[in-house]
Amino acid sequence: AQSVTQLGSHVSVSEGALVLLRCNYSSSVPPYLFWYVQYPNQGLQLLLKYTTGATLVKGINGFEAEFKKSETSFHLTKPSAHMSDAAEYFCAVSERGGGNKLTFGTGTQLKVEL
Amino acid sequence: EPEVTQTPSHQVTQMGQEVILRCVPISNHLYFYWYRQILGQKVEFLVSFYNNEISEKSEIFDDQFSVERPDGSNFTLKIRSTKLEDSAMYFCASSRDREGQPQHFGDGTRLSIL
Repeated sequence: AQSVTQLGSHVSVSEGALVLLRCNYSSSVPPYLFWYVQYPNQGLQLLLKYTTGATLVKGINGFEAEFKKSETSFHLTKPSAHMSDAAEYFCAVSERGGGNKLTFGTGTQLKVEL
Repeated sequence: EPEVTQTPSHQVTQMGQEVILRCVPISNHLYFYWYRQILGQKVEFLVSFYNNEISEKSEIFDDQFSVERPDGSNFTLKIRSTKLEDSAMYFCASSRDREGQPQHFGDGTRLSIL
């Protein structure tokens, strides 16, 4: 069975600082990989995805993530945090060749301070 | 941009009653999903639905739950004989295709069982 680990349930950064949110997956075959963001009282919004091809993927709002097979990781980064980035971020995977069921990590709450 | 809509946004129900949560997926999407998020926990897959039948379900999705696409636009989740532990945020999602396609989520229905 697949699993997703997000290290750090809470991350706090200063405005303008680098954002790094960690995600590792456990799967015998590299899965499809997704990052979603959830703002308070809203649903999950897709930030970016990796399915195939270039391992560095760019998403909305200046976020990007790099798939590293050797490290079974898909960490999310943003060079310069903005106050509006404060939200909860979820890493999710779905199995290649299987159904499209998403398995989520436990989420990371990002706080951006002045 | 088309979006998934869910109604109601908040449902309060007495324990033992039946509830129906409603979703309107994106119109050209063919795959539909329900997830739930118990307060403070991660998002969990419940069921996926395609071509008017369940394609995959989790162990959470027992006989208490059922899904239906009663017409060309709605997708519903019925919970019979609700229990206190059914209190959660329920998210509907849809995707255009199955393999590796991102799922688009609604804003969720907060279900409170009293």
